[in-house]
Amino acid sequence: KAGVTQTPRYLIKTRGQQVTLSCSPISGHRSVSWYQQTPGQGLQFLFEYFSETQRNKGNFPGRFSGRQFSNSRSEMNVSTLELGDSALYLCASSLVQGVNEQFFGPGTRLTVL
Amino acid sequence: GEDVEQSLFLSVREGDSSVINCTYTDSSSTYLYWYKQEPGAGLQLLTYIFSNMDMKQDQRLTVLLNKKDKHLSLRIADTQTGDSAIYFCAEKPSGTYKYIFGTGTRLKVLA
Repeated sequence: KAGVTQTPRYLIKTRGQQVTLSCSPISGHRSVSWYQQTPGQGLQFLFEYFSETQRNKGNFPGRFSGRQFSNSRSEMNVSTLELGDSALYLCASSLVQGVNEQFFGPGTRLTVL
Repeated sequence: GEDVEQSLFLSVREGDSSVINCTYTDSSSTYLYWYKQEPGAGLQLLTYIFSNMDMKQDQRLTVLLNKKDKHLSLRIADTQTGDSAIYFCAEKPSGTYKYIFGTGTRLKVLA
């Protein structure tokens, strides 16, 4: 079974631009969560999607948005990029039952110059 | 608050045991998790414990849970250089769809 895939793996943008990151969950997984990881703030929850609906959202400004498609693939978008948005963005998928184990992708490393 | 706390660094010698500690916040969390992150990679689930258990052993890993003190620990027996990584504990409060991760403990194993 293929794991969680994220594209692109690396991205360099400049301030003010916008970016879209993509995540394909494990086949059969319907929940996708997004996290931002930085050295200073650690791993912070962005949002979680299930069946194309956002069920929970972390404490991030409205510049951070996401969506989920009918095939469970998810995208997150960051508009008007700031230097502080430089981070590793991780996506995780789960079955949403039982142990509810999250499987993480390798992440997208975003650098904002 | 939602802070899950861990010590930042731990250094051990190869072959010794490592103990990584975590203090979580929400007593309603049904499962508590330990994840491992190697350099340049995403997080990998190592093990988890159900909240009505005190201990769980899985090969070299032992998880201890003190629900009264909201304290979770991960013991790695016979630590190897390949165990060098960042270890995160995580909780998922009941009734929510989000996981709260600890700050991560960087384990360094000295040969």
